[in-house]
Amino acid sequence: AQTVTQSQPEMSVQEAETVTLSCTYDTSESNYYLFWYKQPPSRQMILVIRQEAYKQQNATENRFSVNFQKAAKSFSLKISDSQLGDTAMYFCAFEGGSEKLVFGKGMKLTVNP
Amino acid sequence: KAGVTQTPRYLIKTRGQQVTLSCSPISGHRSVSWYQQTPGQGLQFLFEYFSETQRNKGNFPGRFSGRQFSNSRSEMNVSTLELGDSALYLCASRQGSDQPQHFGDGTRLSIL
Repeated sequence: AQTVTQSQPEMSVQEAETVTLSCTYDTSESNYYLFWYKQPPSRQMILVIRQEAYKQQNATENRFSVNFQKAAKSFSLKISDSQLGDTAMYFCAFEGGSEKLVFGKGMKLTVNP
Repeated sequence: KAGVTQTPRYLIKTRGQQVTLSCSPISGHRSVSWYQQTPGQGLQFLFEYFSETQRNKGNFPGRFSGRQFSNSRSEMNVSTLELGDSALYLCASRQGSDQPQHFGDGTRLSIL
């Protein structure tokens, strides 16, 4: 069974700074997807970024980028130029051949003015 | 394009009752998945429907069931409600297996 671990339950950062959220996972599959989702207090789960395991190039979406280390089974999210609107719960998720998302426990990020 | 729509937004029930939650996917999306989110267990997969067929099921008791209609709308039913069923129920839809899932705002179910 796949597992996703987010070891940091909570982090805070000052506006405009850069922050990195860590995630590790365990799987025996070779083809899979990894995701970061954001859940603000409005509670909608919003897709931040997706990485295909077969791609060596790290995914980027504007201020969001990932550091994907397949051999180490590590998938961290870097948020540059943090904004107040980035305050939310962040979930790391795995999707393999079963095509269902397996989520980590989440990490609460607070961006302070 | 409208997003995933879940109704109702909030629901209060008592133990032993049953409840039905509704999810309308993004137009053109044929796959609908349901997840339960609780503070203790986090986000857990319930089931997935594609073209009116249950394609995948999580580790939940038979009290949890679902269905999908020909227009891809999905309903989830929970019978004989227990206090532990209090949770945020999230629905997600996607166009195909190689596409990411997009979530609705969820239904907050409270059991008294």
